[in-house]
Amino acid sequence: QVQLVQSGAEVKKPGASVKVSCKASGYTFPIYYIHWVRQAPGQGLEWVGAIFPSSGDTYYAQTFQGRVTVTRDTSTSTVYLELSSLKSEDTAVYFCARDPFDHYDRSGYSWLDYWGQGTLVTVSS
Amino acid sequence: DIQMTQSPSSLSAFVGDRVTITCRASQSINNYLNWYQQKPGKAPKLLISAASTLQSGVPSRFSGSGYGTDFTLTISSLQPEDFASYYCQQTYITPPWTFGQGTKVEMK
Repeated sequence: QVQLVQSGAEVKKPGASVKVSCKASGYTFPIYYIHWVRQAPGQGLEWVGAIFPSSGDTYYAQTFQGRVTVTRDTSTSTVYLELSSLKSEDTAVYFCARDPFDHYDRSGYSWLDYWGQGTLVTVSS
Repeated sequence: DIQMTQSPSSLSAFVGDRVTITCRASQSINNYLNWYQQKPGKAPKLLISAASTLQSGVPSRFSGSGYGTDFTLTISSLQPEDFASYYCQQTYITPPWTFGQGTKVEMK
């Protein structure tokens, strides 16, 4: 069965960096996008970025440009989200999610069908 | 970027009520619209893709409709397990994969 298992909660100081992992299993890892979506306390869902594991192509929300890096390790079917220069406003639960979007036919449909359990990142001095 | 606006932001309803949530895109997105349900402390769950395609295992009381800029999610007879937050998401012009701000459905 498809599973996305994320790393545990993190507490960081302002200005530090955090790296969250998302290990995939139960499907052909390289051909499905993995997205990162975050949710601040009591707030809605915010798209952060995405990666197509086969090629390593990445896409980021403008809000995070320059501070976010999404990478993958195809040997372990793991995707990583690294966020730098952390601020208190980055305190949120970060989710990874799978997307069957066809990378080579971008006219196709896209949706997030399986999600990780979420990782709480707390930024506090 | 395409902006997604949901209404209402929250609503109160009784079990058995018919509930409708609206999502409006800032420009036409054809039918590239998904709906998710999220319960407190849990990851979102995909309910509907391509505006009206119900995901496997999702009860038939949920339905989606719309095309272009205006979309609706309808729950025909609200059940206790349906009290949750609901989000729309456009995937027509990406990146970004934009979400609406959410609608919280509470028990009256």
